[in-house]
Amino acid sequence: GQNIDQPTEMTATEGAIVQINCTYQTSGFNGLFWYQQHAGEAPTFLSYNVLDGLEEKGRFSSFLSRSKGYSYLLLKELQMKDSASYLCAVRDNRSGGYQKVTFGTGTKLQVIP
Amino acid sequence: EAQVTQNPRYLITVTGKKLTVTCSQNMNHEYMSWYRQDPGLGLRQIYYSMNVEVTDKGDVPEGYKVSRKEKRNFPLILESPSPNQTSLYFCASSPKGQPTFYGYTFGSGTRLTVV
Repeated sequence: GQNIDQPTEMTATEGAIVQINCTYQTSGFNGLFWYQQHAGEAPTFLSYNVLDGLEEKGRFSSFLSRSKGYSYLLLKELQMKDSASYLCAVRDNRSGGYQKVTFGTGTKLQVIP
Repeated sequence: EAQVTQNPRYLITVTGKKLTVTCSQNMNHEYMSWYRQDPGLGLRQIYYSMNVEVTDKGDVPEGYKVSRKEKRNFPLILESPSPNQTSLYFCASSPKGQPTFYGYTFGSGTRLTVV
């Protein structure tokens, strides 16, 4: 099975930088996703890492270390609209060719003025 | 527009009354899944399907049924709903194989209340 851990809540100030960490334990690792989810809405894709290193996309960056089972999502120049939950999700290979995606419980980020 | 369409968005029902939540995708995706989301528990997989007529249990399948008779549709059936199935439900789809950089595309969600 999988075990994914991320902080439950975080608070940061508008304009600042925040880092949301995610640790995981899994076999057959085949990629890590970060999703953003506003309250009551569907998750939306932010980033994908399958190799070690940093992936940058505008204000958002995501880092992966497969050997450490660790990832983080970095949000720069925070805006009020970034207040949302951020879900870390790990995909692994299962028997029969199925690639299962398991989600962490999410980190609720509150951006304050 | 590429999308996953779920219906209904909101549903209040009574214990024991059979219901179906529909899910349809227009992206020709092979993989489809149902998740439920509860406070403090995150998204948990109910059932998934790798292709037409191929379905399997996820982590929390009890009390649910699914079918995949057509590639685009993956309905979730609650034969006898109970209050512990009150939750926010999401249908999701993704293409098979590599690279699948974007993971899942999610439907808008169905908020189900069973009284």
